[in-house]
Amino acid sequence: AQTVTQSQPEMSVQEAETVTLSCTYDTSESDYYLFWYKQPPSRQMILVIRQEAYKQQNATENRFSVNFQKAAKSFSLKISDSQLGDAAMYFCAYRSANSGNTPLVFGKGTRLSVIA
Amino acid sequence: GAGVSQSPSNKVTEKGKDVELRCDPISGHTALYWYRQSLGQGLEFLIYFQGNSAPDKSGLPSDRFSAERTGGSVSTLTIQRTQQEDSAVYLCASSWGLLAGETQYFGPGTRLLVL
Repeated sequence: AQTVTQSQPEMSVQEAETVTLSCTYDTSESDYYLFWYKQPPSRQMILVIRQEAYKQQNATENRFSVNFQKAAKSFSLKISDSQLGDAAMYFCAYRSANSGNTPLVFGKGTRLSVIA
Repeated sequence: GAGVSQSPSNKVTEKGKDVELRCDPISGHTALYWYRQSLGQGLEFLIYFQGNSAPDKSGLPSDRFSAERTGGSVSTLTIQRTQQEDSAVYLCASSWGLLAGETQYFGPGTRLLVL
C-alpha cells in the first residue's frame, strides 16, 4: 500500500518570504500523480498544484512550485512571496494512475502560519 | 457553478445514536468519495462511488458505517450506534471520474461530535 509522510507538523514564514513544505511517499508503482491540497479554516480542501510522475519538469502555479524527485520519492511544495491568505493546513496526496479511479492517499498535513 | 455541498455543517449526537450525513456532488460528476479527518490526522478514505458500479467500501472502519448514492447524485453516509471515536470531520469529494490526474472537488465537510 502507498503511504505519504509529511514530517513537518507546523511551519511558519514571514510575509513575502519563501517557505518549503516537505513530503515523501512510498510506492512500488511507476505511474502516479501527486497533489498538494490547501485546507483553510473553512475546512474546504482546495487543489494547489499537481504533478504527473512521468513528467520530469516540476509543476508550477503562480507563486507555488514543486520539487519532484522521483528517485528519492520526494515532492516538496515551495511557496514564494508568502501572503497572509496562504495560512492553512497543507496536505500532500498520492494517487495511482494504474487502477482506474482510486481515492487519494493523504499525509497528515503541515500547518502553515504566515507572520505579518 | 455550485460546488460540492454537505449537510449538516455540524452535528452533535449522543453515543449510541444513528446519524446521517449528506453530500451533494457537482452536477455531472460520476465519482464521489467520502473521507474522514480525525483531529491531527490526515484524510482517511472511507468509500468511493463510480457511476453505476459497485462502490469501493474498502475504507469503511466497521459495519456500523454504510453509504448509498441515489440516482448517481446525492450520497448519504450513515453511522449507526455512534461511538466517541467516530468524532471527526467527514469530507465528501466529487470528480468527473475520467482521469487519474483529475481534480477532486471537496465539500466543506460535516463536523461530527459524539458525546
